[in-house]
Amino acid sequence: DADVTQTPRNRITKTGKRIMLECSQTKGHDRMYWYRQDPGLGLRLIYYSFDVKDINKGEISDGYSVSRQAQAKFSLSLESAIPNQTALYFCATSGTGGPGDTQYFGPGTRLTVL
Amino acid sequence: KQEVTQIPAALSVPEGENLVLNCSFTDSAIYNLQWFRQDPGKGLTSLLLIQSSQREQTSGRLNASLDKSSGRSTLYIAASQPGDSATYLCAARGRGSTLGRLYFGRGTQLTVWP
Repeated sequence: DADVTQTPRNRITKTGKRIMLECSQTKGHDRMYWYRQDPGLGLRLIYYSFDVKDINKGEISDGYSVSRQAQAKFSLSLESAIPNQTALYFCATSGTGGPGDTQYFGPGTRLTVL
Repeated sequence: KQEVTQIPAALSVPEGENLVLNCSFTDSAIYNLQWFRQDPGKGLTSLLLIQSSQREQTSGRLNASLDKSSGRSTLYIAASQPGDSATYLCAARGRGSTLGRLYFGRGTQLTVWP
């Protein structure tokens, strides 16, 4: 089974709708992240959480909110979706944050806002 | 703000060639430098991680080097194979207040043809 899972894998919605993307991990990591990727661009950080009570904004948090329901679960919400939020969304986790620590990514959610 | 650039954006080579992918970053105060592979419809997979105190890392046919003073990293792929076809992303991890954040380049899309 995958260590980092995301649901749904694909979603098409309309402008103005509220959308929630969910992420679960079985790696036992404290740190979780949400990124978005647009065609031809690198990944950009939306929000990150270093533990259940610690949530921080990333580079592009406007229009998004998050909830860390448990160590293993981190959800991303679009309160009122707009077309320029059409993108590929990735969740990631990491361990203690030491110099050899890497991030483990989920398979992504492809979101289309019409 | 850290800016990460990857050159070339795309590369198409015949099987068996040795090739070099380039990554540059503007802020040399990084915690580590990572190379990821991204396949269509899948998440990112970590290939190599070079800590700031290291100069290179090797895994099989892959070798990554890091020169912090010049703000550059290279990924060397020996004896390329069609299965190496993917998008390769480099990411610099920040220090201090940005510790834990990864700053991604836009990637190099590699095609290896038989």
